[in-house]
Amino acid sequence: DVKVTQSSRYLVKRTGEKVFLECVQDMDHENMFWYRQDPGLGLRLIYFSYDVKMKEKGDIPEGYSVSREKKERFSLILESASTNQTSMYLCASSLSGQVEAFFGQGTRLTVV
Amino acid sequence: GQNIDQPTEMTATEGAIVQINCTYQTSGFNGLFWYQQHAGEAPTFLSYNVLDGLEEKGRFSSFLSRSKGYSYLLLKELQMKDSASYLCAVSRGGATNKLIFGTGTLLAVQP
Repeated sequence: DVKVTQSSRYLVKRTGEKVFLECVQDMDHENMFWYRQDPGLGLRLIYFSYDVKMKEKGDIPEGYSVSREKKERFSLILESASTNQTSMYLCASSLSGQVEAFFGQGTRLTVV
Repeated sequence: GQNIDQPTEMTATEGAIVQINCTYQTSGFNGLFWYQQHAGEAPTFLSYNVLDGLEEKGRFSSFLSRSKGYSYLLLKELQMKDSASYLCAVSRGGATNKLIFGTGTLLAVQP
């Protein structure tokens, strides 16, 4: 069964902290994505990766970075968390050339 | 610019039919997706249209008109478990299948 696992369901961090959100997929997918989901704004693409060590900016990359050292793992990094980064973060993966993307359960991050 | 519009909320009755509309204006088009998202859960894939016309999958059907920048999701024989958000998304092309999402339509199914 297809599985995308995000390390935490809920996180509370302080302003200025460095935050790591981890995502692991067990489907040998080439593509991995990080989205944030906010009421009234829908899902917005932060970063994506189409191969190990490869990354590209999405629509809202400011304040974020990513790391893909292994094919199965894609990490989202908030270098210095701010309150406007309080959101639901969703990781997804897909196979190159395939249409369906599989999502993780999401991490609800609160920055105080 | 890039824009995907869908109604914010809809209400329907158990056993009825509901149509959720989506209009889009995007730079690049490689297909339109519908996802279902129950509260607190991950979005799950419902359908994909890349050519004009109707795709039917059980109680759910999805329609696409590329010339009009328009799609709809049709849900028949509504069940209480269909209460969820329905997300319309457009692929901007390329092997990575980058998606741009609408804000979602929250459907409430009432007895």
